[in-house]
Amino acid sequence: KQEVTQIPAALSVPEGENLVLNCSFTDSAIYNLQWFRQDPGKGLTSLLLIQSSQREQTSGRLNASLDKSSGRSTLYIAASQPGDSATYLCAVRRDSSASKIIFGSGTRLSIRP
Amino acid sequence: DAGVIQSPRHEVTEMGQEVTLRCKPISGHNSLFWYRQTMMRGLELLIYFNNNVPIDDSGMPEDRFSAKMPNASFSTLKIQPSEPRDSAVYFCASSFGSADTQYFGPGTRLTVL
Repeated sequence: KQEVTQIPAALSVPEGENLVLNCSFTDSAIYNLQWFRQDPGKGLTSLLLIQSSQREQTSGRLNASLDKSSGRSTLYIAASQPGDSATYLCAVRRDSSASKIIFGSGTRLSIRP
Repeated sequence: DAGVIQSPRHEVTEMGQEVTLRCKPISGHNSLFWYRQTMMRGLELLIYFNNNVPIDDSGMPEDRFSAKMPNASFSTLKIQPSEPRDSAVYFCASSFGSADTQYFGPGTRLTVL
């Protein structure tokens, strides 16, 4: 059974720092991995999607990497800003069937001005 | 595009009452998903539809829950009778294909007293 873990559950850093969020999964047989952002009281917003054949994806100050063999993904945020404060979730899809998508519990990120 | 629309945004009801949550997916999207988010269990997929047909309802907790998608622009999630343990935020999401990026609605916060 696939399990997705995100540690730490919460993280607080000063503005301007670069930071890394971690996601680990127990079954390396995945179709893709996706990072989402969730603001309080809001739905999820997709940030980056990495296919199983890819090693990383970049969007602006965000860079997500994928290492299937070790069951790990990281989300790198450069030059953090207070507006980056949110909960970040990773989600793993086992195959093209959407019913196999498994979410981590998220990391609550707080950027101190 | 207005994005995924959910109604109501908040619902407070008493145990035993019927609750109906509504969702309008993004126009042109073929897949629709219902999720439930709680502090204890995180984000869980309840059911998903492809081309208005339920594909996998294995995440539906019990017979009190039912979902329908009568056409491509509307879906409902019904709980009858509701119980306090059903209190959660219910999200609807849609995507162009079942394995593509999912776009989430703002959610319905349900409280069952």
